[in-house]
Amino acid sequence: TQLLEQSPQFLSIQEGENLTVYCNSSSVFSSLQWYRQEPGEGPVLLVTVVTGGEVKKLKRLTFQFGDARKDSSLHITAAQPGDTGLYLCAGDTPYSGAGSYQLTFGKGTKLSVIP
Amino acid sequence: NAGVTQTPKFRVLKTGQSMTLLCAQDMNHEYMYWYRQDPGMGLRLIHYSVGEGTTAKGEVPDGYNVSRLKKQNFLLGLESAAPSQTSVYFCASSYSTGEQFFGPGTRLTVL
Repeated sequence: TQLLEQSPQFLSIQEGENLTVYCNSSSVFSSLQWYRQEPGEGPVLLVTVVTGGEVKKLKRLTFQFGDARKDSSLHITAAQPGDTGLYLCAGDTPYSGAGSYQLTFGKGTKLSVIP
Repeated sequence: NAGVTQTPKFRVLKTGQSMTLLCAQDMNHEYMYWYRQDPGMGLRLIHYSVGEGTTAKGEVPDGYNVSRLKKQNFLLGLESAAPSQTSVYFCASSYSTGEQFFGPGTRLTVL
């Protein structure tokens, strides 16, 4: 079983602060995805990172894939209340079982940004 | 496009009752998935399908059955509900490239 460990589990910060959440594994993934989930809704994809060492930016969010493709981080600059939600990382499991791309999800980081 | 829709949104069952959750997608995706989400446990895959007429077991399949009679629909059945099946259930669909599109979820309580 490929496990993804996310830290911290909970994070409460003031508006304007910076933060970083981590997603770590002992397994190598060919790609890793980050989702955000708001209360009462399903997860929505933010980004997919594919290449070791890759950095992607989405406005104030910066995603990095580790060189060995075992870990990833999400950095938010100047957090805003609209960033509040559950952040999930997910690694693919290439061609397992009947050939489906199955995702292994971390347990998530619950972020609260206080105005 | 509606994307991925799930019905019902909420349901309360008594132990031993049965029910079916319906998932529909209008994106012509080949792959569909059923997950359950519990506090502190993250999203866990129950069953999935790689195409019409095919299904396969995921991480936590016991107590659930699925069917994919039409490409756009994926049904999740509970034959004899147990309190341990109290959870939020999410359906998702994707092409073969990994990005999954999720429905809004069904909150199920088994008393």
